[in-house]
Amino acid sequence: KAGVTQTPRYLIKTRGQQVTLSCSPISGHRSVSWYQQTPGQGLQFLFEYFSETQRNKGNFPGRFSGRQFSNSRSEMNVSTLELGDSALYLCASSLYGTGNQPQHFGDGTRLSIL
Amino acid sequence: GENVEQHPSTLSVQEGDSAVIKCTYSDSASNYFPWYKQELGKRPQLIIDIRSNVGEKKDQRIAVTLNKTAKHFSLHITETQPEDSAVYFCAARKMSGGYQKVTFGIGTKLQVIP
Repeated sequence: KAGVTQTPRYLIKTRGQQVTLSCSPISGHRSVSWYQQTPGQGLQFLFEYFSETQRNKGNFPGRFSGRQFSNSRSEMNVSTLELGDSALYLCASSLYGTGNQPQHFGDGTRLSIL
Repeated sequence: GENVEQHPSTLSVQEGDSAVIKCTYSDSASNYFPWYKQELGKRPQLIIDIRSNVGEKKDQRIAVTLNKTAKHFSLHITETQPEDSAVYFCAARKMSGGYQKVTFGIGTKLQVIP
Protein backbone atom coordinates (compact mmCIF):
# COMPACT_ATOMS: atom_id res chain seq x y z
CA LYS A 1 0.00 0.00 0.00
CA ALA A 2 1.47 3.36 -1.00
CA GLY A 3 2.26 5.83 1.75
CA VAL A 4 1.26 9.46 2.07
CA THR A 5 2.40 11.38 -1.00
CA GLN A 6 3.11 15.09 -1.00
CA THR A 7 3.88 17.23 -4.02
CA PRO A 8 5.95 19.09 -4.81
CA ARG A 9 8.90 18.15 -2.58
CA TYR A 10 10.57 21.54 -2.93
CA LEU A 11 9.24 24.94 -3.79
CA ILE A 12 10.80 28.37 -4.02
CA LYS A 13 8.59 31.43 -4.03
CA THR A 14 8.93 35.15 -3.43
CA ARG A 15 7.11 37.33 -0.95
CA GLY A 16 3.57 38.18 -1.92
CA GLN A 17 3.04 35.15 -4.11
CA GLN A 18 0.70 32.31 -3.31
CA VAL A 19 1.32 28.59 -3.27
CA THR A 20 -0.70 25.37 -3.34
CA LEU A 21 0.59 22.15 -1.85
CA SER A 22 -0.93 18.73 -2.42
CA CYS A 23 -1.30 15.66 -0.23
CA SER A 24 -2.58 12.23 -1.22
CA PRO A 25 -3.36 10.10 1.84
CA ILE A 26 -2.90 6.38 2.22
CA SER A 27 -5.64 4.55 0.37
CA GLY A 28 -8.70 4.25 2.60
CA HIS A 29 -7.63 7.01 4.97
CA ARG A 30 -10.21 9.75 5.23
CA SER A 31 -8.55 12.15 7.64
CA VAL A 32 -5.79 14.51 6.51
CA SER A 33 -3.99 16.89 8.83
CA TRP A 34 -1.48 19.56 7.90
CA TYR A 35 1.49 20.72 9.98
CA GLN A 36 4.14 23.38 9.68
CA GLN A 37 7.59 22.35 10.87
CA THR A 38 10.30 24.88 11.64
CA PRO A 39 13.52 24.40 13.63
CA GLY A 40 12.45 26.57 16.52
CA GLN A 41 8.75 25.75 16.71
CA GLY A 42 8.57 22.04 16.11
CA LEU A 43 5.37 20.68 14.58
CA GLN A 44 2.59 23.25 14.53
CA PHE A 45 -0.91 22.07 13.67
CA LEU A 46 -2.55 23.90 10.78
CA PHE A 47 -5.85 22.10 10.16
CA GLU A 48 -7.53 18.76 9.71
CA TYR A 49 -9.96 17.62 7.06
CA PHE A 50 -12.32 14.69 7.14
CA SER A 51 -14.91 13.86 4.50
CA GLU A 52 -14.24 17.13 2.69
CA THR A 53 -14.91 19.19 5.81
CA GLN A 54 -12.47 21.15 7.90
CA ARG A 55 -12.95 19.81 11.39
CA ASN A 56 -10.18 21.45 13.28
CA LYS A 57 -7.99 24.50 12.88
CA GLY A 58 -4.78 25.66 14.54
CA ASN A 59 -3.67 29.19 15.30
CA PHE A 60 -2.59 30.33 11.88
CA PRO A 61 -3.76 33.43 9.98
CA GLY A 62 -6.43 33.26 7.32
CA ARG A 63 -3.74 33.28 4.62
CA PHE A 64 -3.48 29.57 5.28
CA SER A 65 -6.40 27.61 3.90
CA GLY A 66 -7.11 24.15 2.67
CA ARG A 67 -9.62 21.82 1.20
CA GLN A 68 -10.26 18.14 0.73
CA PHE A 69 -11.69 16.39 -2.28
CA SER A 70 -14.06 13.46 -2.47
CA ASN A 71 -11.14 11.07 -2.99
CA SER A 72 -9.64 12.36 0.30
CA ARG A 73 -6.78 14.14 -1.42
CA SER A 74 -6.12 17.48 0.20
CA GLU A 75 -4.60 20.76 -0.84
CA MET A 76 -3.23 23.56 1.26
CA ASN A 77 -3.00 27.11 -0.02
CA VAL A 78 -0.96 29.95 1.39
CA SER A 79 -1.59 33.42 -0.01
CA THR A 80 0.49 36.58 0.24
CA LEU A 81 3.58 34.65 1.24
CA GLU A 82 5.88 36.05 3.91
CA LEU A 83 9.49 35.24 4.71
CA GLY A 84 8.35 33.56 7.91
CA ASP A 85 6.33 31.03 5.94
CA SER A 86 9.54 29.26 4.97
CA ALA A 87 9.17 25.82 6.49
CA LEU A 88 8.63 22.14 5.90
CA TYR A 89 4.92 21.47 5.44
CA LEU A 90 3.87 17.98 6.41
CA CYS A 91 0.61 16.26 5.97
CA ALA A 92 -0.51 13.19 7.85
CA SER A 93 -3.37 10.82 7.21
CA SER A 94 -5.25 8.49 9.48
CA LEU A 95 -7.98 5.96 8.97
CA TYR A 96 -10.94 7.77 10.43
CA GLY A 97 -9.58 10.73 12.32
CA THR A 98 -11.52 9.66 15.36
CA GLY A 99 -10.55 7.32 18.11
CA ASN A 100 -7.01 6.20 18.62
CA GLN A 101 -5.89 5.84 15.04
CA PRO A 102 -2.21 6.57 14.35
CA GLN A 103 -1.25 9.25 11.87
CA HIS A 104 1.13 8.53 9.01
CA PHE A 105 3.20 11.37 7.62
CA GLY A 106 4.30 12.24 4.13
CA ASP A 107 7.83 13.40 3.23
CA GLY A 108 6.70 17.01 3.26
CA THR A 109 7.04 19.99 0.97
CA ARG A 110 9.94 22.28 1.77
CA LEU A 111 8.86 25.82 0.99
CA SER A 112 11.45 28.56 0.74
CA ILE A 113 10.44 32.20 0.47
CA LEU A 114 12.94 34.63 -1.03
CA GLY B 1 -5.89 24.05 25.02
CA GLU B 2 -3.48 21.20 25.41
CA ASN B 3 0.16 21.95 26.15
CA VAL B 4 2.86 19.32 25.73
CA GLU B 5 6.31 19.91 27.17
CA GLN B 6 9.18 17.69 26.10
CA HIS B 7 12.58 17.31 27.77
CA PRO B 8 15.43 17.34 27.08
CA SER B 9 15.71 19.24 23.83
CA THR B 10 19.03 17.52 23.06
CA LEU B 11 20.47 14.28 24.38
CA SER B 12 23.83 12.64 23.75
CA VAL B 13 24.50 9.08 24.86
CA GLN B 14 27.22 6.54 24.27
CA GLU B 15 26.36 3.60 22.09
CA GLY B 16 24.90 0.83 24.22
CA ASP B 17 23.61 3.16 26.93
CA SER B 18 19.94 3.94 27.53
CA ALA B 19 18.12 7.11 26.55
CA VAL B 20 15.03 8.53 28.21
CA ILE B 21 12.84 11.33 26.87
CA LYS B 22 10.03 12.75 28.97
CA CYS B 23 6.84 14.58 28.07
CA THR B 24 4.17 16.17 30.21
CA TYR B 25 0.70 17.16 29.08
CA SER B 26 -1.88 19.45 30.59
CA ASP B 27 -5.27 18.16 29.47
CA SER B 28 -6.50 15.13 31.38
CA ALA B 29 -8.86 14.37 28.47
CA SER B 30 -5.89 13.34 26.30
CA ASN B 31 -6.03 9.60 25.88
CA TYR B 32 -3.60 8.61 23.14
CA PHE B 33 0.14 9.26 23.13
CA PRO B 34 2.23 8.44 20.04
CA TRP B 35 5.98 8.86 19.61
CA TYR B 36 7.56 9.72 16.29
CA LYS B 37 11.14 9.43 15.07
CA GLN B 38 12.33 11.81 12.40
CA GLU B 39 15.69 11.21 10.78
CA LEU B 40 17.39 14.09 9.02
CA GLY B 41 15.54 14.99 5.84
CA LYS B 42 12.92 12.28 6.32
CA ARG B 43 9.33 12.08 7.42
CA PRO B 44 8.30 11.54 11.03
CA GLN B 45 7.61 7.86 11.55
CA LEU B 46 5.49 6.37 14.29
CA ILE B 47 7.67 4.14 16.47
CA ILE B 48 5.40 3.36 19.39
CA ASP B 49 2.18 4.56 20.93
CA ILE B 50 0.26 4.07 24.15
CA ARG B 51 -3.35 4.48 25.10
CA SER B 52 -4.57 5.87 28.38
CA ASN B 53 -5.83 2.55 29.65
CA VAL B 54 -2.31 1.11 29.57
CA GLY B 55 0.61 2.00 31.83
CA GLU B 56 3.47 0.59 29.81
CA LYS B 57 4.16 -0.78 26.37
CA LYS B 58 7.31 -2.33 24.99
CA ASP B 59 8.55 -3.13 21.51
CA GLN B 60 12.03 -4.66 21.43
CA ARG B 61 14.44 -1.92 22.56
CA ILE B 62 11.77 0.74 22.82
CA ALA B 63 9.31 1.21 25.66
CA VAL B 64 6.85 3.88 26.66
CA THR B 65 5.42 4.47 30.12
CA LEU B 66 2.40 6.56 31.02
CA ASN B 67 1.48 8.07 34.36
CA LYS B 68 -2.03 9.46 33.99
CA THR B 69 -2.15 10.89 37.48
CA ALA B 70 0.99 12.93 36.97
CA LYS B 71 0.15 13.55 33.30
CA HIS B 72 3.50 12.49 31.97
CA PHE B 73 4.79 9.82 29.63
CA SER B 74 8.28 8.76 28.71
CA LEU B 75 10.14 7.05 25.90
CA HIS B 76 12.87 4.62 26.87
CA ILE B 77 15.43 3.34 24.37
CA THR B 78 17.78 0.65 25.61
CA GLU B 79 21.07 -0.52 24.08
CA THR B 80 21.18 2.52 21.84
CA GLN B 81 22.73 2.25 18.40
CA PRO B 82 24.02 4.96 16.03
CA GLU B 83 20.96 4.50 13.84
CA ASP B 84 18.81 5.64 16.76
CA SER B 85 20.20 9.15 16.20
CA ALA B 86 17.26 11.31 15.16
CA VAL B 87 14.73 13.81 16.46
CA TYR B 88 11.99 12.27 18.57
CA PHE B 89 8.57 13.86 19.00
CA CYS B 90 5.95 13.02 21.55
CA ALA B 91 2.30 13.91 21.06
CA ALA B 92 -0.91 13.93 23.05
CA ARG B 93 -4.23 13.39 21.39
CA LYS B 94 -7.76 13.79 22.64
CA MET B 95 -11.24 13.77 21.27
CA SER B 96 -13.16 17.03 21.41
CA GLY B 97 -16.64 17.43 20.00
CA GLY B 98 -16.19 14.19 18.08
CA TYR B 99 -12.95 15.38 16.48
CA GLN B 100 -9.37 14.64 17.34
CA LYS B 101 -6.93 17.24 18.57
CA VAL B 102 -3.22 16.47 18.46
CA THR B 103 -0.51 18.48 20.16
CA PHE B 104 3.17 17.73 19.60
CA GLY B 105 6.14 18.31 21.84
CA ILE B 106 9.01 20.46 20.59
CA GLY B 107 11.19 17.47 19.84
CA THR B 108 14.36 15.91 21.28
CA LYS B 109 17.48 15.57 19.19
CA LEU B 110 19.14 12.31 20.19
CA GLN B 111 22.74 11.69 19.27
CA VAL B 112 24.21 8.25 19.84
CA ILE B 113 27.99 8.39 19.92
CA PRO B 114 29.73 5.27 18.57
